[in-house]
Amino acid sequence: EAQVTQNPRYLITVTGKKLTVTCSQNMNHEYMSWYRQDPGLGLRQIYYSMNVEVTDKGDVPEGYKVSRKEKRNFPLILESPSPNQTSLYFCASSQPLGRITGELFFGEGSRLTVL
Amino acid sequence: GENVEQHPSTLSVQEGDSAVIKCTYSDSASNYFPWYKQELGKRPQLIIDIRSNVGEKKDQRIAVTLNKTAKHFSLHITETQPEDSAVYFCAASANNAGNMLTFGGGTRLMVKP
Repeated sequence: EAQVTQNPRYLITVTGKKLTVTCSQNMNHEYMSWYRQDPGLGLRQIYYSMNVEVTDKGDVPEGYKVSRKEKRNFPLILESPSPNQTSLYFCASSQPLGRITGELFFGEGSRLTVL
Repeated sequence: GENVEQHPSTLSVQEGDSAVIKCTYSDSASNYFPWYKQELGKRPQLIIDIRSNVGEKKDQRIAVTLNKTAKHFSLHITETQPEDSAVYFCAASANNAGNMLTFGGGTRLMVKP
């Protein structure tokens, strides 16, 4: 089954304790991205990756890191989480047709609470 | 960069009525405009999209219209049903930005039976 898998789905942590949210897709998609969803603000892009070893900042990258060592995986790293990073996080992947934007397939979301 | 504004933020309609959600965008280079539906507790899923070479696209009860001159596009849902209740997001993308989508703030649609 084609899917985007995120882990963990729920996490409560404390300020400053490093954490990683994993994301994996089995559709051989080149493009992967992380969004955070906050009430009234929609989905804001944190980082995206056009392919292996190619990453770029989205609209709200501060406080986050990513890596793309393999095509299928795109982990989101919070080196020193702060309460303002409490949010619902979505990973997504897509297969552009050349440079034409394609449908985004989202993971189920990871709800993160930073105390 | 691109800025997408979406209105209204909440919309309540009676079952069977039509619903219209509107979005405006700022980057004239944007040429791809998808709409995503997010049911409560679920992930967003694509319901319809339109590219700038067409002005309207329809899929059963949903349709999207695009006015490139005015830089706005709209989602139209006819004969609404309770299962249409969800949060809807519009988005815009310019191909020269790769696959980077900018989303609107979302509209919570409630269809009352």
